[in-house]
Amino acid sequence: SQKIEQNSEALNIQEGKTATLTCNYTNYSPAYLQWYRQDPGRGPVFLLLIRENEKEKRKERLKVTFDTTLKQSLFHITASQPADSATYLCAPLTGTASKLTFGTGTRLQVTL
Amino acid sequence: DTAVSQTPKYLVTQMGNDKSIKCEQNLGHDTMYWYKQDSKKFLKIMFSYNNKELIINETVPNRFSPKSPDKAHLNLHINSLELGDSAVYFCASSQDRSNSPLHFGNGTRLTVT
Repeated sequence: SQKIEQNSEALNIQEGKTATLTCNYTNYSPAYLQWYRQDPGRGPVFLLLIRENEKEKRKERLKVTFDTTLKQSLFHITASQPADSATYLCAPLTGTASKLTFGTGTRLQVTL
Repeated sequence: DTAVSQTPKYLVTQMGNDKSIKCEQNLGHDTMYWYKQDSKKFLKIMFSYNNKELIINETVPNRFSPKSPDKAHLNLHINSLELGDSAVYFCASSQDRSNSPLHFGNGTRLTVT
């Protein structure tokens, strides 16, 4: 069955460092992969979309990579700030968003 | 202006009751969704509508019935509530059925006692 794995343990890093979150998927051949941020008590907010033919996508301090051979996406936040503390969800999809399936998310905690 | 709004924000009710959650989007999107997030924070799709037509109906008990009176609204009615229905329910919308990003509401926390 299709499976999406994100590190369920919280990632604690110091302000200013680069945070790297991992998303692994199995039994999928996603054409796209989306990343979302979720704050406590709020709905997920879309951050980035990367296509299978794109190795890397950047937006301000965010960078996403997509390795279809490894079946993995990495999400990087450079120069992290306490305001980046949240849960980050990955969502591979196979061409239609009608059934977007989310990973369990990784909680990031950025400390001073 | 709120893009995707759902009401109520909190819903506490007893087992066996029937309740509804309302959702409205003002983004002009064609596709709307209901997701359920359980206590382990796993976000799972329940239903998807495109232009008022049901296109995704996951393995959800038939006590759950979505209704889309128009493209901008997708309501969720739940009959005979059970303890296991306690969760946060999120409504979302996207421009279309392709790879468009989802815009989520802020959720309805349902507690069944």
